[in-house]
Amino acid sequence: SQQGEEDPQALSIQEGENATMNCSYKTSINNLQWYRQNSGRGLVHLILIRSNEREKHSGRLRVTLDTSKKSSSLLITASRAADTASYFCATEGSGNTPLVFGKGTRLSVIA
Amino acid sequence: NAGVTQTPKFQVLKTGQSMTLQCAQDMNHEYMSWYRQDPGMGLRLIHYSVGAGITDQGEVPNGYNVSRSTTEDFPLRLLSAAPSQTSVYFCASSYSNRGYGELFFGEGSRLTVL
Repeated sequence: SQQGEEDPQALSIQEGENATMNCSYKTSINNLQWYRQNSGRGLVHLILIRSNEREKHSGRLRVTLDTSKKSSSLLITASRAADTASYFCATEGSGNTPLVFGKGTRLSVIA
Repeated sequence: NAGVTQTPKFQVLKTGQSMTLQCAQDMNHEYMSWYRQDPGMGLRLIHYSVGAGITDQGEVPNGYNVSRSTTEDFPLRLLSAAPSQTSVYFCASSYSNRGYGELFFGEGSRLTVL
């Protein structure tokens, strides 16, 4: 299975601090995506990084991808209480297979 | 712009009953899929479709049927509900029929099977 595994499972930080979440996967990928899910809601796409990219930014988000280690990280800078949510990585395999999601990291940002 | 619409939002069934979860998108997306989300399990793919008339199985297809007669709709049928199918179900779509790019999710359908 190419399922991504997020680490840590849960993270609690103070407002203004940075939050880093990691994702590891098992097989070759075309791209890796990060999603956010607020409690009781659907998932929302945050960012996509392709296998030939190493880093990508979007606002306060920074994603890195290391295909040699089969891992990715999501950094949220200057976190806010509104960033409290679960964050999931999802991988699309090199065989054009549908997205496979990890189990998520639950982030709590305390004001 | 409605995006992906799922109905019903909540449903309680008795073991053995059947029902259909509806999913409709208004973005002319080729790719549509159904996931279930269980505590500690993340999202698991049930069925997906790369276009009208084409469906395929995901990781956990047993007990579920799908059809794709139009680009807009992708209903998920539970044939004979079991307590193990208690879950939150999400429909998602994408512009690409190869599943590339971002998925757009509905708000979920919360199903309890007694």
